[in-house]
Amino acid sequence: AQSVTQPDIHITVSEGASLELRCNYSYGATPYLFWYVQSPGQGLQLLLKYFSGDTLVQGIKGFEAEFKRSQSSFNLRKPSVHWSDAAEYFCAVGARTNAGKSTFGDGTTLTVKP
Amino acid sequence: DVKVTQSSRYLVKRTGEKVFLECVQDMDHENMFWYRQDPGLGLRLIYFSYDVKMKEKGDIPEGYSVSREKKERFSLILESASTNQTSMYLCATAPGLGQEAGQPQHFGDGTRLSIL
Repeated sequence: AQSVTQPDIHITVSEGASLELRCNYSYGATPYLFWYVQSPGQGLQLLLKYFSGDTLVQGIKGFEAEFKRSQSSFNLRKPSVHWSDAAEYFCAVGARTNAGKSTFGDGTTLTVKP
Repeated sequence: DVKVTQSSRYLVKRTGEKVFLECVQDMDHENMFWYRQDPGLGLRLIYFSYDVKMKEKGDIPEGYSVSREKKERFSLILESASTNQTSMYLCATAPGLGQEAGQPQHFGDGTRLSIL
């Protein structure tokens, strides 16, 4: 069975500082990997996805993530955080044979200090 | 762009009522999902459907049922609402295996349901 761990429940960074959100997954083969963002009172919006090929993936809003097979990780990064990035972030893993299902981590809440 | 519409943003119901949450998508996706989201617990899958009239239980199906009579519509039913079903409910869709397999899920804005 696939699973996702987001070790950090809550992270606080200063505006303009760099950001890294951690994600570790468990899956027997090469998975599909996703990062979503959820603003308060909204649904989840896709930031980026990894299917195959280049392990460094670029997404929307200046985010990127790197797939590291040896570490079973897919960490999300942004070089300079903006106040509008404050939100909850979810990492998800999908199986290639699993009819669109994904398993989600518990989420990391990002607070941005002025 | 995929649009997933949930019929209500906020809903207040009473204990014991039968509650219907509706979700409609406009992208011809085969898969549809219902999650509930609670603080500290992330997203938990209640039910999903991979075709009309087809459904499978997710991780927490107890107290819920679903209906998918048309491809674009997926309904979540609380048979007899209880206070512990107060939560945010999220609907999502995704292409199926015969479509663009492995694509991300697309989410509605959620329904915040309060059971009094």
